[in-house]
This record gives sequence, C-alpha cells and structure tokens, in this order.
Amino acid sequence: KQEVTQIPAALSVPEGENLVLNCSFTDSAIYNLQWFRQDPGKGLTSLLLIQSSQREQTSGRLNASLDKSSGRSTLYIAASQPGDSATYLCAVRRSGGSNYKLTFGKGTLLTVNP
Amino acid sequence: SQTIHQWPATLVQPVGSPLSLECTVEGTSNPNLYWYRQAAGRGLQLLFYSVGIGQISSEVPQNLSASRPQDRQFILSSKKLLLSDSGFYLCAWRGGGLAGSYNEQFFGPGTRLTVL
Repeated sequence: KQEVTQIPAALSVPEGENLVLNCSFTDSAIYNLQWFRQDPGKGLTSLLLIQSSQREQTSGRLNASLDKSSGRSTLYIAASQPGDSATYLCAVRRSGGSNYKLTFGKGTLLTVNP
Repeated sequence: SQTIHQWPATLVQPVGSPLSLECTVEGTSNPNLYWYRQAAGRGLQLLFYSVGIGQISSEVPQNLSASRPQDRQFILSSKKLLLSDSGFYLCAWRGGGLAGSYNEQFFGPGTRLTVL
C-alpha cells in the first residue's frame, strides 16, 4: 500500500527566504507525482506535475524534483513571499492496475512572514 | 480551457436530512471524475470515482452514494446525513483513457458541509 509522507508538517520562514518542502513515498512504481497548493477553505490548485520519466519541473519560482528510485520529491520555492503562505500537498499516482487514484500526503503548512 | 464547478459552496443540514452535491466540468469530454472528503485535521479521502456515465466505484463503505447521469456531471448524495458526514467535499477531474494516466488532476472549489 502506497504511503506518502510530507516533512515538515509546518514551516514558518521570513519573506525572501528560499525553502524546500519534502515528500517521500513508499512504492516507487508510480506514473507521476503532483504538487498542489491549498489556501484555507479553498480547493486544491495544481502547481506542478512530474512524470515518472522526468527528474524535475519548473514553474516560475517553483521547482519540483523527483527521485523515483529513492521515493522522494522536493518542492523548492525561491524568494518566498507572504502570498506563498498555504498548505502544500504532494500526491502520487501509481502505475499498474490501480492508477485511477492519487495517494496524498497530509501536507506542509507554510507561513511566510513579512 | 477547462473549468470545474461545485455547488453549493456551503451547506448546513440537520442530522437525518438528505444531501445532494453537484459537480460539473466544462471544456473537456469523457473525464475521470472524483469525489473526495477532507475532514478537519485529516488528509484527503477518496470517496468515489467514475470513468464514464453510470460507472461509479466506491472507495470506502459509507453513508454516501454517487451518480454520473451525464458525461460531465457528478453528484454526491445521501438519504440520511450523519454527524460524521461533516467536512469539506471536493470534486476533481482528469483526462480519461490510457493517456489520462499521465494527466494532471484538477480540483473544484469545494463544498463545506456542516451536519448539526
């Protein structure tokens, strides 16, 4: 059974700092990994999708990496801003017969202080 | 571009009352559709998914049911709500078919349900 763990559970940083959020998964047989952002009381916004054959994806100040063999992904946020404050979730889609669903971590609550 | 709608945004219902939450997707066809629940302090729980009209799979036994009467419409229902049904309900979609395995999943804005 796939398990996804996100560390730390919460992170508070001053504005302008570069930061890394971690995601680990137990089963490396995945199709892809997706990072989401969730603001309080809102739905999830997709940030980046990394296919299993890729090592990283970039969008603006965000960079996500994937090391499938070791079961790890990181989300790097450069020059953090107060508007980046949110909960960040990672999710993996397994390969094979049960690839209809994503397995989610519990998220990292990020607070960027002005 | 594709958009996903959910309504209502907020709902307060008494225990034992029925429930109907609706989700519709625009700008795509034959999507895979999903219902999730997010309870306070807990992660996202997949409730139902659908790969086509009338095709519903349940992930966990519970007081809820789902239906897909049209290609881009997904409905979550209950005949009698329980206190434990309170939570934040999210609808999601992604591209269908074999290639859909590689596609991003997108979420709606959610419905906050409080059962009193």
